Amino acid sequence: DAGVTQSPTHLIKTRGQHVTLRCSPISGHKSVSWYQQVLGQGPQFIFQYYEKEERGRGNFPDRFSARQFPNYSSELNVNALLLGDSALYLCASSPGQRLSGNTIYFGEGSWLTVV
Amino acid sequence: EDQVTQSPEALRLQEGESSSLNCSYTVSGLRGLFWYRQDPGKGPEFLFTLYSAGEEKEKERLKATLTKKESFLHITAPKPEDSATYLCAVQATAGNTPLVFGKGTRLSVIA
Repeated sequence: DAGVTQSPTHLIKTRGQHVTLRCSPISGHKSVSWYQQVLGQGPQFIFQYYEKEERGRGNFPDRFSARQFPNYSSELNVNALLLGDSALYLCASSPGQRLSGNTIYFGEGSWLTVV
Repeated sequence: EDQVTQSPEALRLQEGESSSLNCSYTVSGLRGLFWYRQDPGKGPEFLFTLYSAGEEKEKERLKATLTKKESFLHITAPKPEDSATYLCAVQATAGNTPLVFGKGTRLSVIA
């Protein structure tokens, strides 16, 4: 079975631009979460979506938004990019609404560099 | 506020030299404590979930243990391929809460 797939794997954007990152969860998983990992830090929670509805949001500005599609894939959008948005963006999938830890699996991430 | 502190930040071991990584946590109520392995430039790879004090889990050269305030990841006779960053995370029982991660321990095993 395919794991969590994310695209693109690497991208470079200029300050002020917009970026869209994509995630396909493990087959059968209905919940997708997004995390941001800055170099040298642990991942920080951004959003959780379940059945196309937002179920949780971390301490990130409104420039960050996300959505989940009927096939349970998800997009993370970031507007008006800042240098500080440079990070590894991780998508995690789990079967149900409750983020039961032993079934949370991460993708390989999307490396975003803002110049 | 839920918090996770991992120590040491970095650890260098000779091949075969056993050691332990520490994860101290504060959480309102613990639903689970998780260990992940992360290779450079990759996403975290799930290792273990521990749910209650006294619980232990093993996988190859790794053994995770849990008390009411901390968890240890014991590495027995490590090999160079065990080199990675090991992340600890907690999940609180309140509501539908996400994982709260520590900064990780960078482990280097030298042949």
